[in-house]
Amino acid sequence: AQSVSQHNHHVILSEAASLELGCNYSYGGTVNLFWYVQYPGQHLQLLLKYFSGDPLVKGIKGFEAEFIKSKFSFNLRKPSVQWSDTAEYFCAVNARSNAGKSTFGDGTTLTVKP
Amino acid sequence: DTAVSQTPKYLVTQMGNDKSIKCEQNLGHDTMYWYKQDSKKFLKIMFSYNNKELIINETVPNRFSPKSPDKAHLNLHINSLELGDSAVYFCASSQGGANTGELFFGEGSRLTVL
Repeated sequence: AQSVSQHNHHVILSEAASLELGCNYSYGGTVNLFWYVQYPGQHLQLLLKYFSGDPLVKGIKGFEAEFIKSKFSFNLRKPSVQWSDTAEYFCAVNARSNAGKSTFGDGTTLTVKP
Repeated sequence: DTAVSQTPKYLVTQMGNDKSIKCEQNLGHDTMYWYKQDSKKFLKIMFSYNNKELIINETVPNRFSPKSPDKAHLNLHINSLELGDSAVYFCASSQGGANTGELFFGEGSRLTVL
């Protein structure tokens, strides 16, 4: 069975600080990887995704993530956060042999202080 | 036009009642899902339908019954509501195939059971 672990439950940063949110998954086969963002009171939206190719993927709003296969990791980064980045961030994995079932991490609450 | 739309957005009801949530997607996707997000923001898959056929049924009480009249609609009926059913229920859809796992979420239906 696939599982996802997000190490940081709550991160508090000041504006312009750099961000890195950890995500590790457990699954031996080929996976598709995702980060979703949920702004306060809103639904989940796709931030970025990795299917294959360049392991460094760029998403919306200046976010990027790097897939390191040997570490089973897909960490999310942003060089300089803004107050508007305050949200819940979810890492998700979908094993290609388990088509359709995405497993989500428990989420990381990011609070950016102005 | 909203890609994935759910109704109602808010539901407040008494224990023991029966309620339904409806979901429609206009993306032409074959697969639709119901996810439950609890008060701690944990997101868990409940059901998935592919072209009207049930393909994922997690360990959900049989008080929950999904119905998919066609591939653009997935409804969720809940019988004999309990306090623990209070949560936000998200409908989602995906295209499947090589893009497996990329989910498009509705805005959520917040259910409060008193």
